[in-house]
Amino acid sequence: GQSLEQPSEVTAVEGAIVQINCTYQTSGFYGLSWYQQHDGGAPTFLSYNALDGLEETGRFSSFLSRSDSYGYLLLQELQMKDSASYFCAVNRDYKLSFGAGTTVTVRA
Amino acid sequence: IAGITQAPTSQILAAGRRMTLRCTQDMRHNAMYWYRQDLGLGLRLIHYSNTAGTTGKGEVPDGYSVSRANTDDFPLTLASAVPSQTSVYFCASSDSWGSGELFFGEGSRLTVL
Repeated sequence: GQSLEQPSEVTAVEGAIVQINCTYQTSGFYGLSWYQQHDGGAPTFLSYNALDGLEETGRFSSFLSRSDSYGYLLLQELQMKDSASYFCAVNRDYKLSFGAGTTVTVRA
Repeated sequence: IAGITQAPTSQILAAGRRMTLRCTQDMRHNAMYWYRQDLGLGLRLIHYSNTAGTTGKGEVPDGYSVSRANTDDFPLTLASAVPSQTSVYFCASSDSWGSGELFFGEGSRLTVL
């Protein structure tokens, strides 16, 4: 069953900031990944955090707190093209287990 | 363009039939994976291979089998399809076992009637 929790939907306007939280169970944990998927297409890799702290890649940042079993993806300066599903994935025992995904809708 | 190729893109199949989904990568990645994606459930791991010649079971392996005869190919076989196997199937690869960065194919949409 699912051992990751993330919100199912988020809606925001262009230019806004969105934070998608992800909580997970800790057994066999090695790191937290984030993926983006447009309209059922191929998921694409965004970021990976193995250690605590913030990783920044352009408008997207990802954070991990191992002590809190918690991470988040931060989407800044939202654009219409950011409308997609976003998945957190736990690297557990060297395999990725995905959350159910968060649908982000960006409005003009 | 280098990457992962899946075939077929879409298939309708009668229950009880055998089906093989093909997956080929040209990145010389060591590890390969098969996931299924169902609405509201995210991506669930079916089988994986951490290197050519070895395979392992993921979260939902029942009714599926895989083989890894070489680095590039990782076919997924449904021996006797059932309607609950209606799903979108994604093949993925990573350059090393345990990597958090997977590269996904475009998916194979399978409908079992």
